[in-house]
Amino acid sequence: QKEVEQDPGPLSVPEGAIVSLNCTYSNSAFQYFMWYRQYSRKGPELLMYTYSSGNKEDGRFTAQVDKSSKYISLFIRDSQPSDSATYLCAMSRSSASKIIFGSGTRLSIRP
Amino acid sequence: DAGVIQSPRHEVTEMGQEVTLRCKPISGHDYLFWYRQTMMRGLELLIYFNNNVPIDDSGMPEDRFSAKMPNASFSTLKIQPSEPRDSAVYFCASSLAGQPYGYTFGSGTRLTVV
Repeated sequence: QKEVEQDPGPLSVPEGAIVSLNCTYSNSAFQYFMWYRQYSRKGPELLMYTYSSGNKEDGRFTAQVDKSSKYISLFIRDSQPSDSATYLCAMSRSSASKIIFGSGTRLSIRP
Repeated sequence: DAGVIQSPRHEVTEMGQEVTLRCKPISGHDYLFWYRQTMMRGLELLIYFNNNVPIDDSGMPEDRFSAKMPNASFSTLKIQPSEPRDSAVYFCASSLAGQPYGYTFGSGTRLTVV
């Protein structure tokens, strides 16, 4: 079993829809949770991060962490075609630990 | 800052040949990571360095793979001999200590072994 599980998609939604992306994990020691966005033929770039449980909002993006369920989510409101990319969840045990990535969900926003 | 710089962007080589991928991390970053990305396996950590010293190479698939970091501004990943199953996109990333959020990735090297 992988430490981090993520549905690869692809996920296709119309412009303006709310998008929900999710990951589950098995290691309860994870404390740092991140979402990376990767455009085609580019490297991943950090989108959002949270420490421990709770919610964090940044513009149209909201990250949620539920440590009791070992479940993290990324919500995108008012989705735009420019949001079309692969979204990777990532997590680590401590500030000095390596980051473990999910396999990524490919998202397409239809105009 | 120009970010993490990788070269070459694309590499096509014949099976059995030696391949060297290069990376220049962001100035001042003390961690450097080499990842491999494929459709089947996603993003896999191969090896990472802290202050030019290899810390964890448990992700290196086999002895054909080697990585070096001779100084703070340069690292190489070498595959010798290369095999078709090594075809993937190889990413280099760097970060500062104490900032697990702060990985900055390069644009990757797309390797094709024929």
